Amino acid sequence: DIQMTQSPSSLSASVGDTVTITCRASQGITNYLAWFQQRPGKAPKSLIYAASSLHSGVPSKFSGSGSGTDFTLTISRLQPEDVATYYCQQYQSYPFTFGPGSKVDIK
Amino acid sequence: QVQLVESGGGIVQPGRSLRLSCAASGFTFSSYGIHWVRQAPGKGLEWVAVISYDGGNKNYADSVKGRFTISRDNIKNTLYLQMNSLRAEDTAMYYCAKEVYSDSSAYLDFWGQGTLVTVSS
Repeated sequence: DIQMTQSPSSLSASVGDTVTITCRASQGITNYLAWFQQRPGKAPKSLIYAASSLHSGVPSKFSGSGSGTDFTLTISRLQPEDVATYYCQQYQSYPFTFGPGSKVDIK
Repeated sequence: QVQLVESGGGIVQPGRSLRLSCAASGFTFSSYGIHWVRQAPGKGLEWVAVISYDGGNKNYADSVKGRFTISRDNIKNTLYLQMNSLRAEDTAMYYCAKEVYSDSSAYLDFWGQGTLVTVSS
């Protein structure tokens, strides 16, 4: 199985800041990488697929990059509604696997 | 608009069975593969199973293989998860999620709100 790791596990930033979360796969997954946002008490929401493509309706403040084994999610102009846990997930092969999550909150 | 509504969760004793449902609307259900993903209380996301658009292909996580069965009814636009021999570690919120097939693989694009399964004596 492909293992996914994320860092940091949690971070605290100020409104208006830019934050970056990294995700690493245990083997190359080309660009078969997705990012999800899960606000407290809510279902996950799909943000990004194919490492850098935004789902319809996702604001451009979210961006993704990377290929192979190393990926990043960047959130620009952090707002209170961005408080959430963010998960990466590989979909190159079954079983699909998720990273452990990165919790983002506001200072 | 796309809607996925899970149901069937509840409290069940270890070793017993439960069947979850996921009712779909707002898209052509019979054209898309659908996944189950679960989340234990306070924990991260764990992929559980997937079924292809026509039900012909299925894959399972090792943690549920041989105990859980994914199926679908394309007339009723409903996905199912039959869970047998339930264990305490199966306690979780269960989400169904629609996939989009693209570039030789499939990513998740829309999630339901989840149904909670608690396995406890």
